[in-house]
Amino acid sequence: QSALTQPPSASGSPGQSVTISCTGTSSDVGGYNYVSWYQQHPGKAPKVMIYEVSKRPSGVPDRFSGSKSGNTASLTVSGLQAEDEAYYYCSSYAGSNNWGVFGGGTKLTVL
Amino acid sequence: EVQLVESGGGLVQPGGSLRLSCSASGFTFSSYAMHWVRQAPGKGLEYVSGISTNGDTTYYADSVKGRFTISRDNSKKTLYLQMSSLRTEDTAVYYCVKEVGITPRLRIDYWGLGTLVTVSS
Repeated sequence: QSALTQPPSASGSPGQSVTISCTGTSSDVGGYNYVSWYQQHPGKAPKVMIYEVSKRPSGVPDRFSGSKSGNTASLTVSGLQAEDEAYYYCSSYAGSNNWGVFGGGTKLTVL
Repeated sequence: EVQLVESGGGLVQPGGSLRLSCSASGFTFSSYAMHWVRQAPGKGLEYVSGISTNGDTTYYADSVKGRFTISRDNSKKTLYLQMSSLRTEDTAVYYCVKEVGITPRLRIDYWGLGTLVTVSS
């Protein structure tokens, strides 16, 4: 049940694009298309931004997109806005013997 | 509107027990797998436990296996987490989360607001 690996921080200026990575193994990220991304503002509950690698729930701006290559998933935020400043977490299903694992989180700063 | 409302958190001494509840509304509770996720103060998210739609299949993270029990009452639209032999490292906000579909695959679409559990003497 090892956690997925995310960079502790990322940053970009308003209008720019930033990509956050989430690295796992062939037993989790690489083995299933069940990677999700969550946004969490301080003191608030997480909010789903991406599920099943690249699907966006209704209401999530299309500035947020997800992808996966091998054992690494990525979240890209385009056209950065001030309100995008938050923590971002990834998660993945890892099989019937490990229903879920999260990344350590990335703090996104909008400069 | 989907709502998940957790309750039952509070201060408990090490070795003690606590039962969390999650009252669900706005969707057909019995048709979705459910999970508990926790977040220690200032830390990241940690998957705790999950349960299938009818409760016959459950999963626990190694950190809580043998101490926590997840269950559900579909007639009451409520998810539970019975916590025993609590440790200081169990201190966290506990979130009730809803699976996108029937099969538990950690595809979460809704989170509750969470309930704080503090284990301290």
